[in-house]
Amino acid sequence: AQSVTQLDSQVPVFEEAPVELRCNYSSSVSVYLFWYVQYPNQGLQLLLKYLSGSTLVKGINGFEAEFNKSQTSFHLRKPSVHISDTAEYFCAVRLETSGSRLTFGEGTQLTVNP
Amino acid sequence: EAGVVQSPRYKIIEKKQPVAFWCNPISGHNTLYWYLQNLGQGPELLIRYENEEAVDDSQLPKDRFSAERLKGVDSTLKIQPAELGDSAVYLCASSLGTSFTDTQYFGPGTRLTVL
Repeated sequence: AQSVTQLDSQVPVFEEAPVELRCNYSSSVSVYLFWYVQYPNQGLQLLLKYLSGSTLVKGINGFEAEFNKSQTSFHLRKPSVHISDTAEYFCAVRLETSGSRLTFGEGTQLTVNP
Repeated sequence: EAGVVQSPRYKIIEKKQPVAFWCNPISGHNTLYWYLQNLGQGPELLIRYENEEAVDDSQLPKDRFSAERLKGVDSTLKIQPAELGDSAVYLCASSLGTSFTDTQYFGPGTRLTVL
């Protein structure tokens, strides 16, 4: 069975600082990887996804993530965060063999302070 | 283009009462998902529809939960009777299909509180 681990439940940072949100997965088959963001009282919005090809993926709002197969990781990064980036971030995995089922991590609350 | 629409946004009921949630997916999206999101956790799939057919309902507690997607468009998720532990956010999502390139788009969710 696959699983997704988000290593930090909360990440507080100051505005304009860089940030990395960590995600590791376990799977014995090929996977597709996603990062979603959830603002308060809203649904999830796709930030970026890795399907194949280049391991460095760029998404919306200046976020990027790097797929590392040997370390089974898909960490999310942003070089300079804004107050508006405060939200819950979810890493998700989809197995090549599981249809379209997404398995989500437990989320990381990013709080950007002035 | 309108996104995934869900109603109601909030619902408060007493335990043992029935409750229903409604979802209208993005126009043209054949695949519809219902997810359960407990406080402080990521969403978990309850059921997936391809058109009218429920093709993945292994996580749906069938003793009290039911779902339908008439005409392959709107969908309703029902709980009867509700229990205290059902308090959570119920998310609906849709996608064009089930190809690995098809993105799942989420609605704002219905927050259920069972007293």
